[in-house]
Amino acid sequence: DTAVSQTPKYLVTQMGNDKSIKCEQNLGHDTMYWYKQDSKKFLKIMFSYNNKELIINETVPNRFSPKSPDKAHLNLHINSLELGDSAVYFCASSYSNTEAFFGQGTRLTVV
Amino acid sequence: AQTVTQSQPEMSVQEAETVTLSCTYDTSENNYYLFWYKQPPSRQMILVIRQEAYKQQNATENRFSVNFQKAAKSFSLKISDSQLGDTAMYFCAFMRLTSGTYKYIFGTGTRLKVLA
Repeated sequence: DTAVSQTPKYLVTQMGNDKSIKCEQNLGHDTMYWYKQDSKKFLKIMFSYNNKELIINETVPNRFSPKSPDKAHLNLHINSLELGDSAVYFCASSYSNTEAFFGQGTRLTVV
Repeated sequence: AQTVTQSQPEMSVQEAETVTLSCTYDTSENNYYLFWYKQPPSRQMILVIRQEAYKQQNATENRFSVNFQKAAKSFSLKISDSQLGDTAMYFCAFMRLTSGTYKYIFGTGTRLKVLA
């Protein structure tokens, strides 16, 4: 029943590892996003996909690579994880000009 | 560049009372959308209320209402009859069309605590 679901909810990993976070939405939305929320709760957009096409790619290290196999999925792959990547990552989806619905977030901790 | 400013990092209110959270934004656009999101300790981001810039009437959702002042670029959230469950971080967000898609810019948040 969950509208936007992310897995895993928590991820603890060592520096240098590669990890992926998955996101799926069952709302029929055409746009999906990845946001990063840092330790000060600041939310910043990373990527936006519209109908599987990358639309927004903010200044994000190229170690971060989003992949959208279809309109309902937007996964985030992170290579060579660094301590500074520790944050909460939110997936969201929307119709083009409406409010975004957010997943429950993935707390990534790099040790 | 668009910015969203929430000048109150933390606020508290007694249960059943009214509290207003402030938000100002900077834009040269005429058509845009404004939102308030709530993030309780569960971490989930929950939409509270939405306002289209072209609408003069202030949006209302049950105990939540906004005071939208377009000329002043102000978008405050009023919570009436505050409840313990309203304790959360509140984010003001601005959305506009850019590069063919709609992009959100969030404020830094206001942590609201409702006291019993």
